[in-house]
Formats: sequence, C-alpha cells, structure tokens
Amino acid sequence: GAGVSQSPRYKVAKRGQDVALRCDPISGHVSLFWYQQALGQGPEFLTYFQNEAQLDKSGLPSDRFFAERPEGSVSTLKIQRTQQEDSAVYLCASSLGRLAGSTDTQYFGPGTRLTVL
Amino acid sequence: AQRVTQPEKLLSVFKGAPVELKCNYSYSGSPELFWYVQYSRQRLQLLLRHISRESIKGFTADLNKGETSFHLKKPFAQEEDSAMYYCALESNAGNMLTFGGGTRLMVKP
Repeated sequence: GAGVSQSPRYKVAKRGQDVALRCDPISGHVSLFWYQQALGQGPEFLTYFQNEAQLDKSGLPSDRFFAERPEGSVSTLKIQRTQQEDSAVYLCASSLGRLAGSTDTQYFGPGTRLTVL
Repeated sequence: AQRVTQPEKLLSVFKGAPVELKCNYSYSGSPELFWYVQYSRQRLQLLLRHISRESIKGFTADLNKGETSFHLKKPFAQEEDSAMYYCALESNAGNMLTFGGGTRLMVKP
C-alpha cells in the first residue's frame, strides 16, 4: 500500500515568509510525528499527535512553529516568519499506535527540504 | 534527559570485512532501541529493534545495559550496505524517538 507522503518535497522561502508543510500518513495510523533534521544531524522530535489530539509539542523550537491534524488524518506543520535557522528537512512519520504491551513501528515519509534565504 | 551518541560520522570498510557501528545511550529507565537505515535517495526505514532479537540483512544488535550500548554488527559487509545508519531510542514514557547523529557506512569493492 501507499506509504507516508509529504508535500512539497522542496520549498524555498524568503526570510520572513510563512510556509505550510503537509503530511499524509498511512491510512488507519493513529499516531503521527514530526521531526526536524538539520544538515549532517539526526532527526529531532518536534511534535506528536494521537488522532486529532496533539499530545506532545515539547520539541517545537519556538512559537513560530504550529502543527495541526484536525480530522485525525492529514497533518500540517506551519512555520511563521521563517528564519535561516529553520532550514532543514522536515520528516513526518506515522504508526498504528501503541497498544498495551505491544511494540510500534514508525514509518517515515520522504521529507520536505526547506531552504530559507 | 535521554541521549543517543554515535561517535563515528563515517565508517569505511572493504567488502567482506566485518562492520560494527557504535551506539551509546543515556536513559534512566528501560529503553527500546532501534536501528534505522537510509539508503541513497530513499526514506528512513527501520532496520531492526532490540526487542525482536532478529537479524535483518545479516545485521544484529545486542543491547548491553551495563555499557549502555546497542552496537550494530555484520560479519561480512556488502556494497549494498552503504547507507546512513541511525540509532534511536524510545522511552517508555512516550512514543517519540530520540536519534543519534548518524554514521555513514561506505563499503568499498
């Protein structure tokens, strides 16, 4: 079946511009995660949804970052007034959701490469 | 706070040589540990998890709680193993993954 998809794959923004990044998770996946991956580094957690509820946003670097998943499926990560330090690959992952005593696997999308000039 | 460290940014070996990619973690609880791999122009994908105790593509990883390590090993490297490898930890308090900085494995012919 189809995996996690993200759009756009590449985005170039001028400093100060607002951007919106979309994630389409695997159908039926309850959990959805956003990660930020700076050049030469591992992914870093931003935020986590279970269905439409945002259960953890501790990784969002500033209040310019906002994520939503209003219907518990597609999610959008919005960055307002972009800065050069926001340049990174933004990864989305989804999973079935952990049941008691079970393990869970996160499936990653291809990422959106954001470049802020 | 939890942390994952991969001390080598780049590991270069010849085909047929043994490979060990190092991963150390710090976490006060009982972690779940994973290895993710990213081949050229492909997305990040799960290679193996410690709880499954499985061997994938000839790779194995043993959790050593005393040394807080989860090194990835393969006895005979193949050229198709060339990729970025990330070690990751999932705490039992949440579902998010904490990743190491990654190691690029290059297997030369």
